[in-house]
Amino acid sequence: DGGITQSPKYLFRKEGQNVTLSCEQNLNHDAMYWYRQDPGQGLRLIYYSQIVNDFQKGDIAEGYSVSREKKESFPLTVTSAQKNPTAFYLCASSFLVMNTEAFFGQGTRLTVV
Amino acid sequence: AQRVTQPEKLLSVFKGAPVELKCNYSYSGSPELFWYVQYSRQRLQLLLRHISRESIKGFTADLNKGETSFHLKKPFAQEEDSAMYYCALPPHNNNDMRFGAGTRLTVKP
Repeated sequence: DGGITQSPKYLFRKEGQNVTLSCEQNLNHDAMYWYRQDPGQGLRLIYYSQIVNDFQKGDIAEGYSVSREKKESFPLTVTSAQKNPTAFYLCASSFLVMNTEAFFGQGTRLTVV
Repeated sequence: AQRVTQPEKLLSVFKGAPVELKCNYSYSGSPELFWYVQYSRQRLQLLLRHISRESIKGFTADLNKGETSFHLKKPFAQEEDSAMYYCALPPHNNNDMRFGAGTRLTVKP
């Protein structure tokens, strides 16, 4: 089954712990993105990467970290510094050409308990 | 700075009524705009793009450069149109994708 896969679907974390969300794609896309989706606030960009070993901060990068060691993978770590981590997280990927369609994963719902 | 604005967070219409979801943008140059849709329990997916100028599931969207708008329209809403809709500026010039805040459309029977 080709596409973009996020895991796990649901994740629970204790306060003070770091947690890593997985995002893998087999679409040969160069660009990958992480968004946070909150009710009434739409999709807010956390980080994006256009090439292996390079990434840029989005609008709400504080408290998050990413890596891009492989083209297929773009994991997101939610650190204990993130003040309000409970949210729905979406990963997306696209070719690195102008005005191209993005493909989304099914999302990970993170709950801090 | 490029920006996409969707002024309505919630929109409710009756089945068979026309529907218009508003989108305004701020962008220097000639924009290419997309509409994405997220149905319940499904992943976010592309609905239509400006450049294709096609109608998808009865929806159309016209780019109005004078008003900097890209409103999504459908003449007769159906219950299955109930979903979350996002207007978006796709990646360009090494920049990221920009989404509006989204509009939740509910079509009542």
